[in-house]
Amino acid sequence: RKEVEQDPGPFNVPEGATVAFNCTYSNSASQSFFWYRQDCRKEPKLLMSVYSSGNEDGRFTAQLNRASQYISLLIRDSKLSDSATYLCVVNWGSDYKLSFGAGTTVTVRA
Amino acid sequence: NAGVTQTPKFQVLKTGQSMTLQCAQDMNHEYMSWYRQDPGMGLRLIHYSVGAGITDQGEVPNGYNVSRSTTEDFPLRLLSAAPSQTSVYFCASSSSGTGRETQYFGPGTRLLVL
Repeated sequence: RKEVEQDPGPFNVPEGATVAFNCTYSNSASQSFFWYRQDCRKEPKLLMSVYSSGNEDGRFTAQLNRASQYISLLIRDSKLSDSATYLCVVNWGSDYKLSFGAGTTVTVRA
Repeated sequence: NAGVTQTPKFQVLKTGQSMTLQCAQDMNHEYMSWYRQDPGMGLRLIHYSVGAGITDQGEVPNGYNVSRSTTEDFPLRLLSAAPSQTSVYFCASSSSGTGRETQYFGPGTRLLVL
């Protein structure tokens, strides 16, 4: 079983739509959760950390559900520039190693 | 600040050749790591370092060596290239190794082994 699993998509949505997707993780001891964004053939960049109480950053909302071991990302009012692959990243408890999901691809069309 | 830099951007090797992928950061970060990214898979940790002189193996270390003689540099050596090492390699750094900080990635090295 993969440590971090994501629906690869692609999620094709029109501009202005809302899109949401989840990521599940297998290690219940994980303590830190992140969403990274990766544009085609580029390096990953931090989009946002995910906190236990959930958090927002502009049009982006991240939620953590420890009981079911998943995190989610919701993008409101999608822009063309939101087209990218979103990587779910989870650390392993007290260890600093990070596990990356394979990514969810979002394509926003005009 | 240049952030994390990697060279070369692209490389083609023949099976059995060796080479070194360079990585440098100018943020005075203690923690540095190397990942490989293959289609349909998440980034996988090859080797990491928590400071100068200290390195350790990640998830997929076979066929790779690293050293960390300075805080700034963390080169990755391919000892005898194999087609299975065809991949995109990313170097990353962070201020410490607790797993809670932002990882800053270099632009990547695309390697093709024939």
